[in-house]
Amino acid sequence: ETGVTQTPRHLVMGMTNKKSLKCEQHLGHNAMYWYKQSAKKPLELMFVYNFKEQTENNSVPSRFSPECPNSSHLFLHLHTLQPEDSALYLCASSQGGGAGTDTQYFGPGTRLTVL
Amino acid sequence: AQTVTQSQPEMSVQEAETVTLSCTYDTSESDYYLFWYKQPPSRQMILVIRQEAYKQQNATENRFSVNFQKAAKSFSLKISDSQLGDAAMYFCAYRSVSLADDYKLSFGAGTTVTVRA
Repeated sequence: ETGVTQTPRHLVMGMTNKKSLKCEQHLGHNAMYWYKQSAKKPLELMFVYNFKEQTENNSVPSRFSPECPNSSHLFLHLHTLQPEDSALYLCASSQGGGAGTDTQYFGPGTRLTVL
Repeated sequence: AQTVTQSQPEMSVQEAETVTLSCTYDTSESDYYLFWYKQPPSRQMILVIRQEAYKQQNATENRFSVNFQKAAKSFSLKISDSQLGDAAMYFCAYRSVSLADDYKLSFGAGTTVTVRA
């Protein structure tokens, strides 16, 4: 299933760098999500976009900045990160619109290491 | 957000045998959705099975089935005839249907399944 793609798959950056993660979904969905997955911790929801509108910001630090230019693309802009931000960042999409059967489909993730 | 608990950090199963993963959740809602996702070493999160709380019949997907006990707030996953490709981390997840919590999935901490040849 290649419905949700993420680039890059691996990223190493210094604390002063600026980088962006990209997510693209080919499923015709209207909702997109960013999750953070750290070792030994449950997945943490970071941001939700529904029909290009941000509907959730789960107390994420401002050094993470999402952008959703259209329903198919989602970006996560990173700047002045900390070593504790090192994690797997997962993107997901779903039909959205409040459908009761809404199911999220995930991309392969970007493994981020902050030095 | 609802709390999802997976009490088994690791489980091991012999190839062709059956293994059951436990999941409990905390909610005051009467209608919701429950999911099991699989995350193999490739890190791709894959949907395994989905259960709608208003349906009493347990969901089944090939070798994967659930035991949904609504009153006990329990949602276990049974993997039958285990195969080497089943080795992965399995996550239980809860989704509310309330407008205030819509779209949000609450995940458990995961259970790592090892399949012995």
